[in-house]
Amino acid sequence: DGGITQSPKYLFRKEGQNVTLSCEQNLNHDAMYWYRQDPGQGLRLIYYSQIVNDFQKGDIAEGYSVSREKKESFPLTVTSAQKNPTAFYLCASSIGGQYNEQFFGPGTRLTVL
Amino acid sequence: AQSVSQHNHHVILSEAASLELGCNYSYGGTVNLFWYVQYPGQHLQLLLKYFSGDPLVKGIKGFEAEFIKSKFSFNLRKPSVQWSDTAEYFCALDKAAGNKLTFGGGTRVLVKP
Repeated sequence: DGGITQSPKYLFRKEGQNVTLSCEQNLNHDAMYWYRQDPGQGLRLIYYSQIVNDFQKGDIAEGYSVSREKKESFPLTVTSAQKNPTAFYLCASSIGGQYNEQFFGPGTRLTVL
Repeated sequence: AQSVSQHNHHVILSEAASLELGCNYSYGGTVNLFWYVQYPGQHLQLLLKYFSGDPLVKGIKGFEAEFIKSKFSFNLRKPSVQWSDTAEYFCALDKAAGNKLTFGGGTRVLVKP
């Protein structure tokens, strides 16, 4: 069954702790993306990767880090430097290139206490 | 930089009413345009897309959208809504030959039975 998985669905952390969100895809897509969704602001791009071992900052990369060591995996770390980390985080993937239809995972809701 | 505006943040209507959601973008070059939908508790999924050709595109579940280049618009329509259309709708833009989507703020639609 092809798709994108994100785990866990809900995540709670104390302020000042780093936390890593998982994203895995078995669609054989080259490109992967991380978005943050806040009410009324739509989706904002955090980081994206078009190919293994390469990634670029999106519009709101400060306080986040990523890695892309494998084609199917694109974990996102929310660091203690992120000033407002509580949000819904969505991972997506696409074939890449000119026709950039993206497929989304179910999301992880992170709450920092 | 490109941007996408969805002017209606919340829409409430009754079943069988017609729906039109506005989407305007700012970017002077060639674009790919998308409408995504997020049903309660479900993944963000693609409703329809425009890459080129016929500016009137049809998507799933009876939705359609019209690309009007001169107005920088890509409005979403459905002639008769159902209670199951209750969801949040997002318009998104990708610069042709680009590699990342820019989303609008979303429109929450509530269809009363």
